[in-house]
Amino acid sequence: DAKTTQPPSMDCAEGRAANLPCNHSTISGNEYVYWYRQIHSQGPQYIIHGLKNNETNEMASLIITEDRKSSTLILPHATLRDTAVYYCIVRVSNDYKLSFGAGTTVTVRA
Amino acid sequence: DAGITQSPRHKVTETGTPVTLRCHQTENHRYMYWYRQDPGHGLRLIHYSYGVKDTDKGEVSDGYSVSRSKTEDFLLTLESATSSQTSVYFCAISERSATNEKLFFGSGTQLSVL
Repeated sequence: DAKTTQPPSMDCAEGRAANLPCNHSTISGNEYVYWYRQIHSQGPQYIIHGLKNNETNEMASLIITEDRKSSTLILPHATLRDTAVYYCIVRVSNDYKLSFGAGTTVTVRA
Repeated sequence: DAGITQSPRHKVTETGTPVTLRCHQTENHRYMYWYRQDPGHGLRLIHYSYGVKDTDKGEVSDGYSVSRSKTEDFLLTLESATSSQTSVYFCAISERSATNEKLFFGSGTQLSVL
């Protein structure tokens, strides 16, 4: 699997958009980009995923660069409840082994 | 939550004793996983299952065994617990399609080995 690089931490203001970067420069053509988050003491929660097109759902938007070497997760209007660790993962469909790195600790401040 | 129950939620045990953690799902998903989470290491895959009686090792499988005799239950066993196995253990299940695999996680089991 391609490895990912994320900043260890970032702050954002409540009500503003939070843009979380992820670098996956060794991603291959059949690897998807997934984002999960983990709120303190809870199990991780799926947010969004994509292959090469930008994606949006009720939680967030995922922007993938044209060369697919990086992506950005956008939380359009961050709230205090969005404070969590965010994980960016790349994986091949049908690959059973999915592992999480250290992620980005996002703190939303009032 | 996606119908996943982990038990127990908390356990304290002594070094050398056997421990079994249970993951129960009501979603009838084929794939189940056990992860451990430790400070500085994120989540690491211990074992996974792709069907009844079909299991395989993850990246940190030493000292752990698993069993899956029914679709709904995936058991993780520490045959002889060690202090290095003190951790938070998460079970996950997945639904799959040709282009999508979302993992759904349980609430975790906090295990302390003294």
